[in-house]
Amino acid sequence: ETGVTQTPRHLVMGMTNKKSLKCEQHLGHNAMYWYKQSAKKPLELMFVYNFKEQTENNSVPSRFSPECPNSSHLFLHLHTLQPEDSALYLCASSQVQGRNTEAFFGQGTRLTVV
Amino acid sequence: GENVEQHPSTLSVQEGDSAVIKCTYSDSASNYFPWYKQELGKRPQLIIDIRSNVGEKKDQRIAVTLNKTAKHFSLHITETQPEDSAVYFCAPTLGTNQFYFGTGTSLTVIP
Repeated sequence: ETGVTQTPRHLVMGMTNKKSLKCEQHLGHNAMYWYKQSAKKPLELMFVYNFKEQTENNSVPSRFSPECPNSSHLFLHLHTLQPEDSALYLCASSQVQGRNTEAFFGQGTRLTVV
Repeated sequence: GENVEQHPSTLSVQEGDSAVIKCTYSDSASNYFPWYKQELGKRPQLIIDIRSNVGEKKDQRIAVTLNKTAKHFSLHITETQPEDSAVYFCAPTLGTNQFYFGTGTSLTVIP
């Protein structure tokens, strides 16, 4: 499979649950991102990883914990979430080669916190 | 991060008319200016981009113009079609690859 794939596509979790979102890119890119998309703040950057190293944490609460074991995989670990965390979580990747290039997005995980 | 604003937030046009969406940004060091289109229920996808050494770029019915002095760039869609209906995001980017997206513009093309 090519491109950026995210699993699961939909997730319903209670506030006391622990779950993880997975993202995998098959494009050979070296940078990966997590975005939160909600009606109030569309496409809000959460985390950036360059060459597996986290380079940006955009003031994200600690109940969101990213993990990047290699340049092709990115996880978002979730625990003790709040209802306001319900949103579409999008993963993206790009190639960093001295200048900016296109970001490719996955189809997202629709998260509902109950 | 970059402060990015888009105007208008919603736009309705008749099929065949033109649409223009403006994006303003705060950091004068930004050097890459892409526009993304997100159709309902789908992922955002790049439709056109421009770099800071170019003032305008066209690709068939879409074009992007850049005014670095005023720190804004615009998306122009001519001869709009119903399939152009979507949310459009700008993402002016600094020398790093941190894509901060604008607030989005919902475009509706009325047949």
